[in-house]
Amino acid sequence: GESVGLHLPTLSVQEGDNSIINCAYSNSASDYFIWYKQESGKGPQFIIDIRSNMDKRQGQRVTVLLNKTVKHLSLQIAATQPGDSAVYFCAENTNDYKLSFGAGTTVTVRA
Amino acid sequence: SAVISQKPSRDICQRGTSLTIQCQVDSQVTMMFWYRQQPGQSLTLIATANQGSEATYESGFVIDKFPISRPNLTFSTLTVSNMSPEDSSIYLCSVLGTGQSGGYTFGSGTRLTVV
Repeated sequence: GESVGLHLPTLSVQEGDNSIINCAYSNSASDYFIWYKQESGKGPQFIIDIRSNMDKRQGQRVTVLLNKTVKHLSLQIAATQPGDSAVYFCAENTNDYKLSFGAGTTVTVRA
Repeated sequence: SAVISQKPSRDICQRGTSLTIQCQVDSQVTMMFWYRQQPGQSLTLIATANQGSEATYESGFVIDKFPISRPNLTFSTLTVSNMSPEDSSIYLCSVLGTGQSGGYTFGSGTRLTVV
């Protein structure tokens, strides 16, 4: 079946720099996307979401960009902090209430 | 957003036995889901827990192996039956409610090790 995937499995970033995490999706019918952060021993934590009628959405220190033409989703984290070290997942929904998750990117923040 | 209490948080079980995982939500929610996260992997949907009726299973998952109950709008259980070491994973409960967190909230998971 169609699935969501991530371009890079790991990302190492210097503290204070900006992070960009990418995600490719293959289901053109997907109309809702979510980014989750998962720390060790915890469940996924909501970061930000975006619907397919938007191409950009901003939160606190985070921005999600959606490019439907190339089926690409990205998460930008501004001024990355040590607490941002985690695994990040994108997830998509195709209007059936079920989420399909990408492979995940491990972000490591260097002090 | 909904607050989920998932129990147990972890367990070590003998092969051939069964474990029931509980998911309690602090408010009534529309939908409840069970996911599996194998070591170092992403989340895979096992099934949608339907209130008052049989769960809807995803491809590769069957009721005999993963029986699910949902007696009301705030509680569900997932049983991992006749366990083998391949069932060692994190099992996560998720709910779709109302609120700011995209509507989808996850429990902290149950880390299962089968020996």
